[in-house]
Amino acid sequence: DAGVIQSPRHEVTEMGQEVTLRCKPISGHNSLFWYRQTMMRGLELLIYFNNNVPIDDSGMPEDRFSAKMPNASFSTLKIQPSEPRDSAVYFCASRRGLGEKLFFGSGTQLSVL
Amino acid sequence: AQSVTQPDIHITVSEGASLELRCNYSYGATPYLFWYVQSPGQGLQLLLKYFSGDTLVQGIKGFEAEFKRSQSSFNLRKPSVHWSDAAEYFCAVASSGRDDKIIFGKGTRLHILP
Repeated sequence: DAGVIQSPRHEVTEMGQEVTLRCKPISGHNSLFWYRQTMMRGLELLIYFNNNVPIDDSGMPEDRFSAKMPNASFSTLKIQPSEPRDSAVYFCASRRGLGEKLFFGSGTQLSVL
Repeated sequence: AQSVTQPDIHITVSEGASLELRCNYSYGATPYLFWYVQSPGQGLQLLLKYFSGDTLVQGIKGFEAEFKRSQSSFNLRKPSVHWSDAAEYFCAVASSGRDDKIIFGKGTRLHILP
């Protein structure tokens, strides 16, 4: 299995631009999580899905952030418009079921100038 | 809602010395508890997990952790660290109910002295 696949690996953009991060979970996993990692705030949960349905999006910082999971094999996290304070590493992770361990992607390093 | 506290941001130990990384959690019922490790530029990898049963759990790379309900703690230990253990370590808690999100502590960065 290829593991959780995130793209792009690095993204550099200018303030105000739209950013779309992509994630392909491991086949057969029914939960998907988006996290954001910064030095100051650590690893923050943004949103998670069970069976493609968003369960908890209370960690999404503001309306500029949105996430979708149109099918079991694909999810996107979109920031529109982006701001410099959004600069961070964004991780996607999936798991097979309740209580199972998370498998993490390699992350997307986002820099908003 | 659950929460996790890792009180030590940085820990430095000498190679061959023992290690204990602290983790305290807050959750109303019995949680699922995890320790993950992150090497530079990488995602997180599971070291071990606790669901129920024996409160001392063994993980990979010689790590173990002990669940202490009375102290709401799940500390990670290793009897003798190796230089390759230098990394960032995260404690995580998941609820055992329908709201099964996984919350991470802010991490502890482990430095190893030669």
